Amino acid sequence: RKEVEQDPGPFNVPEGATVAFNCTYSNSASQSFFWYRQDCRKEPKLLMSVYSSGNEDGRFTAQLNRASQYISLLIRDSKLSDSATYLCVVNTPVGGYGKLTFGQGTILTVHP
Amino acid sequence: EPEVTQTPSHQVTQMGQEVILRCVPISNHLYFYWYRQILGQKVEFLVSFYNNEISEKSEIFDDQFSVERPDGSNFTLKIRSTKLEDSAMYFCASTSQGGGELFFGEGSRLTVL
Repeated sequence: RKEVEQDPGPFNVPEGATVAFNCTYSNSASQSFFWYRQDCRKEPKLLMSVYSSGNEDGRFTAQLNRASQYISLLIRDSKLSDSATYLCVVNTPVGGYGKLTFGQGTILTVHP
Repeated sequence: EPEVTQTPSHQVTQMGQEVILRCVPISNHLYFYWYRQILGQKVEFLVSFYNNEISEKSEIFDDQFSVERPDGSNFTLKIRSTKLEDSAMYFCASTSQGGGELFFGEGSRLTVL
């Protein structure tokens, strides 16, 4: 089983749509979780951290289910500028330090 | 806004040549990383560095790779004898706390011919 697994998509949605991405992780010792966004040929940038209680940042909502080792990202009212690859990232403590492991990424294209 | 800077942005080299990729992390950060991304593939962990030593490395980071922080500012990745499969985008990242938000540089694209 992959350490971090995502549906690669691509997801093609119209502006204004709601879209959800899923992610699973294999190591139950993982402690912190993130969604990063990567534009084409650019560096990854943090979109939001994911907390156990779930958290929201504007149009973006992240959920974590530790029992199922599952993370989700919901984007409401999609904008053209949301088109990017969304990376599920999991931090697993190793020898006292954290190691961030990236999923394959889910490609989102928002069209007019 | 402080940022991680990387040089060169693009390097083309012949197979078997040595390459050094340079990074200047954010000044008050303590943890440093190299990741790579082969075109069309996922971001892969190479190595983490803390307190002037490697804290962890992946299977990719074999004897051909080395890192150092010689002057307390630059954080370098050296590939001793490049192979075709080393062609990728190499990202440097830093963070103020282990496991926290990683700040990435814009990457160095390495092309091995």
